[in-house]
Formats: sequence, structure tokens, C-alpha cells
Amino acid sequence: AQKVTQAQTEISVVEKEDVTLDCVYETRDTTYYLFWYKQPPSGELVFLIRRNSFDEQNEISGRYSWNFQKSTSSFNFTITASQVVDSAVYFCALRGYGNTGKLIFGQGTTLQVKP
Amino acid sequence: GAGVSQTPSNKVTEKGKYVELRCDPISGHTALYWYRQSLGQGPEFLIYFQGTGAADDSGLPNDRFFAVRPEGSVSTLKIQRTERGDSAVYLCASSLTLAGGPEELFFGEGSRLTVL
Repeated sequence: AQKVTQAQTEISVVEKEDVTLDCVYETRDTTYYLFWYKQPPSGELVFLIRRNSFDEQNEISGRYSWNFQKSTSSFNFTITASQVVDSAVYFCALRGYGNTGKLIFGQGTTLQVKP
Repeated sequence: GAGVSQTPSNKVTEKGKYVELRCDPISGHTALYWYRQSLGQGPEFLIYFQGTGAADDSGLPNDRFFAVRPEGSVSTLKIQRTERGDSAVYLCASSLTLAGGPEELFFGEGSRLTVL
């Protein structure tokens, strides 16, 4: 079975603090894909990143960075120097190769960045 | 607009009624997906279309739920004899290529269904 766990339900930080959102996944597939989506109050899920299982290089995009560790089945997301606009619900998701579009989402982490 | 469009944005209905939710995907996207998101939860997969056919409907909770995509573009999610437990945000997404690959899903803003 496939499963995604985001243990942090809510996180509150003050602007300019760094924050890490945890994601742990379970799958028996040898090839799979991991995603992070942002869901602002408008409700539309916004794609942030996709990672495939055979590429463990960490990635940095501006203030965002992702740490993929296959050994611990984790795909953590760090926001550096957080801003109020980063406030949203963040979802980690998993999809097996060949699966017909079935993304398995975690329960989400609500991030509140206070000014 | 250029994104995935869903209508209505909000729907309030009474228990037992029939409801239709519409999704207009991004032009040219062959794959279309429906997800359901309950309050405080992550989205849950309902059904996936490749073209006009439902390639995977394993997420539909029961036979009260049905979805169509007759011309391979717009899709309608139909819920019969609605129950209070059907209350949720129904999200539609589309993507450009076959779902077996790592393509990105583009989501709409969802249709919030409230069953009284």
C-alpha cells in the first residue's frame, strides 16, 4: 500500500524564520514520484516540485529547498527566510510509476507565517 | 482563462437531491482527474479519464457517484441521492500527457458541495 504522512498538522513561525515541513512516505514501487503542492486560501493546489525515485539530488529554487532521502523514505521541504505570503497548506504527494494519475496525498501541514 | 475551470464554485443542496459538478480542463490536456477533499484532509482520488474513457474509477466511493467526459474535454461529476457525508470540495485537475509519466497536474479551485 502507498501512504504519505505529514506529521506536522500546523506550524507557526515569525517572518524571516526558516521552516521545514516533513514528509514520510511508504511504497513498494521501485520507481515512483514525489510532489509538493501549495494550497493557498483560494483552494487551488499549486505545483511546487516533482522528484523521481532515482534522483536523490537535493534541489533549491529560490527560498525553497527539498531534501529527498530514500534511505529514510523522506522528502522534506524547507522554506528559508519565510514570508507572510508563504502562509498556506502544504501537501506532500506520492505517485507510483504507471499509476493512472492517482496521487496519494498526505494530510497537509498548515503553515502560518506571522509578520 | 488558461487554467482549469470548475463550476459551480459553491453548491448547497438538500439530502437526497441530485448534483452535477462541471470541469473544464486546460485546452489540449488529454488527462483529467477528479479528487475529493474533506475538511482538514488531503485530496483523495476519485477517477481519472484519458480522453473520453474512464481509465481508473477505483476511487469512486459507491454507485451514487458517476463521471463522464463525452467529448474528451469537459467532464461532469454526477452525484445521486446526495448524503451529508458527500459534503466536501471536489477538485478537478488536468495534465498534458499520459498519466503513467511524471507530468504535472494542474488543479482547479474546486467546487464546494454542502449537503444539508
